[in-house]
Amino acid sequence: EAGVVQSPRYKIIEKKQPVAFWCNPISGHNTLYWYLQNLGQGPELLIRYENEEAVDDSQLPKDRFSAERLKGVDSTLKIQPAELGDSAVYLCASSLTGTSGRTDTQYFGPGTRLTVL
Amino acid sequence: QKEVEQNSGPLSVPEGAIASLNCTYSDRGSQSFFWYRQYSGKSPELIMFIYSNGDKEDGRFTAQLNKASQYVSLLIRDSQPSDSATYLCAVSQGAQKLVFGQGTRLTINP
Repeated sequence: EAGVVQSPRYKIIEKKQPVAFWCNPISGHNTLYWYLQNLGQGPELLIRYENEEAVDDSQLPKDRFSAERLKGVDSTLKIQPAELGDSAVYLCASSLTGTSGRTDTQYFGPGTRLTVL
Repeated sequence: QKEVEQNSGPLSVPEGAIASLNCTYSDRGSQSFFWYRQYSGKSPELIMFIYSNGDKEDGRFTAQLNKASQYVSLLIRDSQPSDSATYLCAVSQGAQKLVFGQGTRLTINP
């Protein structure tokens, strides 16, 4: 079974430029997450989708960040314009949300390492 | 107070010894607890999860949960150099949301 796929793996841009990251979750997984991970820190949730619906975007800086998950499968995270402080690793994860009421295991993609100069 | 706290380390353990990693959390309503391992430059990978108080064993790994004390730990027996990594504790907060600790960097010395 293929894992979570992300692209690009690395991206270097100048500040004020736009950037976009793409994620393809594990087949059949209905829940998709975007996280940001700074060096020496744990991942921090940016947005969570259940199918096409963004059910938790409270931590997404909406003035410059946007995301979409068309058809409930692939997702794109965009930053426009990028700032120096956006340099980090952007992780995508997916899970198969069941009906147990418990939090299901999240599986992570390899991440995109963003450097803003 | 951070929602999920871990000692950032580094924790240094001799090869073959038991490594003990600890995590405390603030939300008494948390029901699901996960341990992830993250090698340098790689993404987090699941080691194990635990839902109920007590111990859960999987090979050389044992997760321990004490909800009354809001404490979860991971024991690694017979530590190997390949266990050297950062270990992330993740705690559920509501449905399908995980809050991660900052991670503990573990080094196994041959």
